[in-house]
Amino acid sequence: AQSVTQLGSHVSVSEGALVLLRCNYSSSVPPYLFWYVQYPNQGLQLLLKYTSAATLVKGINGFEAEFKKSETSFHLTKPSAHMSDAAEYFCAVTSNSGYSTLTFGKGTMLLVSP
Amino acid sequence: DTGVSQDPRHKITKRGQNVTFRCDPISEHNRLYWYRQTLGQGPEFLTYFQNEAQLEKSRLLSDRFSAERPKGSFSTLEIQRTEQGDSAMYLCASSVRQPNEKLFFGSGTQLSVL
Repeated sequence: AQSVTQLGSHVSVSEGALVLLRCNYSSSVPPYLFWYVQYPNQGLQLLLKYTSAATLVKGINGFEAEFKKSETSFHLTKPSAHMSDAAEYFCAVTSNSGYSTLTFGKGTMLLVSP
Repeated sequence: DTGVSQDPRHKITKRGQNVTFRCDPISEHNRLYWYRQTLGQGPEFLTYFQNEAQLEKSRLLSDRFSAERPKGSFSTLEIQRTEQGDSAMYLCASSVRQPNEKLFFGSGTQLSVL
């Protein structure tokens, strides 16, 4: 069984500030971890993916995430928030390397103020 | 690449009625997934097709739900005898089988059961 916990249903930052969205996972086997972003009225879009190659994963739009096995965490960061980053972010996990039956967290809404 | 298309975007129905949703994946994608997302929750995996074969179904998919993918192209998801608890966003995603599989999500069909 696997699960994902996202701490904080809403995170507010000022434009230009550091973005930190937290994700902790539980998996009985080595996990594959993902961050997706969902803009209003749009489909989910993959930001980045961890597949055991490198613990620091760089994604699109300046986001990155670090896999920490000892902390079972995969937090998402961006050095400087932009207004266009305002969206809902989902962390997801799968133990299946063959196909993508993902288990998602509940999501974190990122609010960016001027 | 026209993206994953879902129809309709919104569906309002009365309890007990049957509804059917359609998903058109990206043309060369042989994998297709259905997920369901309720308010305040992340998406939950429902079922997975590789070409026309339905290879995995979640226990969330009760007997009232049936999905098909004839000829390995578009897919339909039918819900019979709808219940108010079926109200959710139904998401479709497609991909190609490759070492770093990437899911492309549609914008979803929002179902409201009155």
